[in-house]
Amino acid sequence: DAGVTQSPTHLIKTRGQQVTLRCSPKSGHDTVSWYQQALGQGPQFIFQYYEEEERQRGNFPDRFSGHQFPNYSSELNVNALLLGDSALYLCASSVLMEDTIYFGEGSWLTVV
Amino acid sequence: SQELEQSPQSLIVQEGKNLTINCTSSKTLYGLYWYKQKYGEGLIFLMMLQKGGEEKSHEKITAKLDEKKQQSSLHITASQPSHAGIYLCGAVHSGGGGADGLTFGKGTHLIIQP
Repeated sequence: DAGVTQSPTHLIKTRGQQVTLRCSPKSGHDTVSWYQQALGQGPQFIFQYYEEEERQRGNFPDRFSGHQFPNYSSELNVNALLLGDSALYLCASSVLMEDTIYFGEGSWLTVV
Repeated sequence: SQELEQSPQSLIVQEGKNLTINCTSSKTLYGLYWYKQKYGEGLIFLMMLQKGGEEKSHEKITAKLDEKKQQSSLHITASQPSHAGIYLCGAVHSGGGGADGLTFGKGTHLIIQP
């Protein structure tokens, strides 16, 4: 049983560019959440998708957007990249209103 | 101030010794998750506590939730090199459960000395 899978594992982008990160949830999970983890910090909640709609959102600007597909996989898009967007982006999957939340290995984004 | 404070920030323990990590919330806790993270990698689910006074154990790791103090503790017995890493607590601060997003502490860096 595959866990939460994310791609790519590492990428480097230039300021002002756009990036798309991808996540496939654990089998049987219908809810995907995205987190940003800066170096030395705990993860921060970006948003959550359920039934292809954004259900909850943390304190992140509109440059951060997402999408969930019918197969429950999800994408995180970040536009107009800033140096401060450099971080580990984590995807978490769960079943809505159930308690176990599993995380993927993350995508390392470096903005130069 | 942080909504979720972890202490200590870092901990060096001799192999075989016991240790405790604390996580204190400034807001009402509806649940508390514990994860372990290897540097630069994803989070490994350890356990989730929901009810006040609840205590769960997995192998040599025990976690408790003190609802009155809005605090959770993670205790490792007879530490081993495999326990080294960053321990993160994630709080549920709403009645919707973890589905509404977790608030994390900054983590506790645990080093096990042989």
